[in-house]
Amino acid sequence: DAKTTQPPSMDCAEGRAANLPCNHSTISGNEYVYWYRQIHSQGPQYIIHGLKNNETNEMASLIITEDRKSSTLILPHATLRDTAVYYCIVRVNNAGNMLTFGGGTRLMVKP
Amino acid sequence: GAVVSQHPSWVICKSGTSVKIECRSLDFQATTMFWYRQFPKQSLMLMATSNEGSKATYEQGVEKDKFLINHASLTLSTLTVTSAHPEDSSFYICSARQGSGNTIYFGEGSWLTVV
Repeated sequence: DAKTTQPPSMDCAEGRAANLPCNHSTISGNEYVYWYRQIHSQGPQYIIHGLKNNETNEMASLIITEDRKSSTLILPHATLRDTAVYYCIVRVNNAGNMLTFGGGTRLMVKP
Repeated sequence: GAVVSQHPSWVICKSGTSVKIECRSLDFQATTMFWYRQFPKQSLMLMATSNEGSKATYEQGVEKDKFLINHASLTLSTLTVTSAHPEDSSFYICSARQGSGNTIYFGEGSWLTVV
């Protein structure tokens, strides 16, 4: 699976949008972009994933650039409970393919 | 999303004893489950891939005789840490792929402390 690069930490004001970037310049055509987050002392939580089109669900939006070399996870109205480590992972969708975690971005939402 | 549950959430055991951690997919069948370990302030590290009805595939550096994995049914995988030592103290997390879908969901994690 392709590697990803994320900033180690970011701050965001409560109520504002949090935009978390991810570079995946070596992504291949059949690899999806997945986002998970891990709140302290809990298992990772699935957020969203996409291949090349932008995606939106009740938690977040995922914007993937046209060349697919980078993406941005957007939390439209960050709350204190969104404070977590956010992981961007690229992965081929097949049965046995695991998720490989990098360092992630530690998002701190401040009042 | 799909629910994956681990038990126990935390356990303390004496050095030299064995401890079993269970991972269950509550509302779906999981042919493949994954076990991760996470040390404080570090990212998750994959330990092994568990396939229902067959032997687990271990990552390099993970001792298969020490970390016994059993995936006897489509909803249950177990990780047994044998002859535990203090350095095995960690946060153990399982995950499961939901059926024909490709999204992987994680359990809540299990804290193991070996004293």
